[in-house]
Amino acid sequence: KAGVTQTPRYLIKTRGQQVTLSCSPISGHRSVSWYQQTPGQGLQFLFEYFSETQRNKGNFPGRFSGRQFSNSRSEMNVSTLELGDSALYLCASSPRLGSGAETQYFGPGTRLLVL
Amino acid sequence: AQKITQTQPGMFVQEKEAVTLDCTYDTSDQSYGLFWYKQPSSGEMIFLIYQGSYDEQNATEGRYSLNFQKARKSANLVISASQLGDSAMYFCAMRGRGNEKLTFGTGTRLTIIP
Repeated sequence: KAGVTQTPRYLIKTRGQQVTLSCSPISGHRSVSWYQQTPGQGLQFLFEYFSETQRNKGNFPGRFSGRQFSNSRSEMNVSTLELGDSALYLCASSPRLGSGAETQYFGPGTRLLVL
Repeated sequence: AQKITQTQPGMFVQEKEAVTLDCTYDTSDQSYGLFWYKQPSSGEMIFLIYQGSYDEQNATEGRYSLNFQKARKSANLVISASQLGDSAMYFCAMRGRGNEKLTFGTGTRLTIIP
């Protein structure tokens, strides 16, 4: 079974631009979560989607948004990019909506550099 | 709120030795899951092992085992017979019951010395 895939793997943008990242979960997984990883803040939760609905949201500004499609694929969008948005963005999928027993499987990440 | 503490920023271990990576957690939930992930320099988070709060036995997956001490709120990862390919960042994480995010620790960078 194929793992979680994320595209693109690397991105360079300039301040003020917007960016869209894509995530395809493991086949049959319906929950997709997004995380931001930076050296200073570590791993921080962005949001979780299940059945095309956002179920949980982290403490990020409204510039960060996402959506999920009927095939469970997900996209996240960051508008008006800032230098501090430079990070590794990780997508994770699990079969069902989150609970203590649900393991999340991660993709390879998208490295975003904002200049 | 949940919190994960990993007190070892970095560790150097001789190849073939066993290594223990420390993790303590804090939660008010009675039901929760504890996870360990490995992150090589490529960036991908690789799931290693899971322990449920009601599991009576410590979880094991090949060379990985989780030393779960519920009363002390600790969930240490033990890697037996370390290999050069084990060099990576290791993250402890937990998830409470219900619709909740994974909460990660700050990680431990493990370097295996030949």
